Amino acid sequence: QSVLTQPPSVSGAPGQRVTISCTGSSTNIGAPHDVHWYQQLPGTAPKLLIYGNVYRPSGVPGRFSASKSGTSASLAITGLQAEDEANYYCQSYDSTLSGWVFGGGTKVTVL
Amino acid sequence: EVQLVESGGGLVQPGGSLRLSCAASGFPFSNYEVTWVRQAPGKGLEWVSYISDTTTSIYYADSVKGRFTISRDNTKNSLYLQMNSLRVEDSAVYYCARISRIADDAFDIWGQGTMVIVSS
Repeated sequence: QSVLTQPPSVSGAPGQRVTISCTGSSTNIGAPHDVHWYQQLPGTAPKLLIYGNVYRPSGVPGRFSASKSGTSASLAITGLQAEDEANYYCQSYDSTLSGWVFGGGTKVTVL
Repeated sequence: EVQLVESGGGLVQPGGSLRLSCAASGFPFSNYEVTWVRQAPGKGLEWVSYISDTTTSIYYADSVKGRFTISRDNTKNSLYLQMNSLRVEDSAVYYCARISRIADDAFDIWGQGTMVIVSS
């Protein structure tokens, strides 16, 4: 049971928009601590996709965006592409646990 | 090229020990906080341990506290994880990661991972 809750899977056709939710609590996302998102392609290490709730590192396509409100955050992929098929994880810091916590991960499938 | 390369994984019996290493290159390692994250087969990511740039701050996840020890040698640009009293549930790919100095404590660089299998 992960501290941050994500849906196990989402899917969409190429070109569609999909969103992934990440629900936490007052000790992590709502503390407020920043939320970061990672993309993990099959068989590879995670890659930083979004940091500081809304910012994209250099090289991350603009079709990825994120937001945060209260104790929740969300990641959106607009204009879904086949190469976006991967697992996505949200992350935050938890004040009670004194450490970082991850969501359980969401598998994005491109139909 | 900014890079982290883990090594030291392998097969070990329950109760045994293993020491993981993470070699950093392409950036001033001594200026960065670093961390270990693991991923059990088919499962999600789990934060394991953190060490500050000067080793003054060290934190562990409850699941490994008292069994794992994180350390670093800035003269060798290396991070370590000493794992003792290993359990079957410690089986995972272990990643070292750099904590960004500008991206709000995000883990901005990851190694490729090293596999640890705890089994009799």
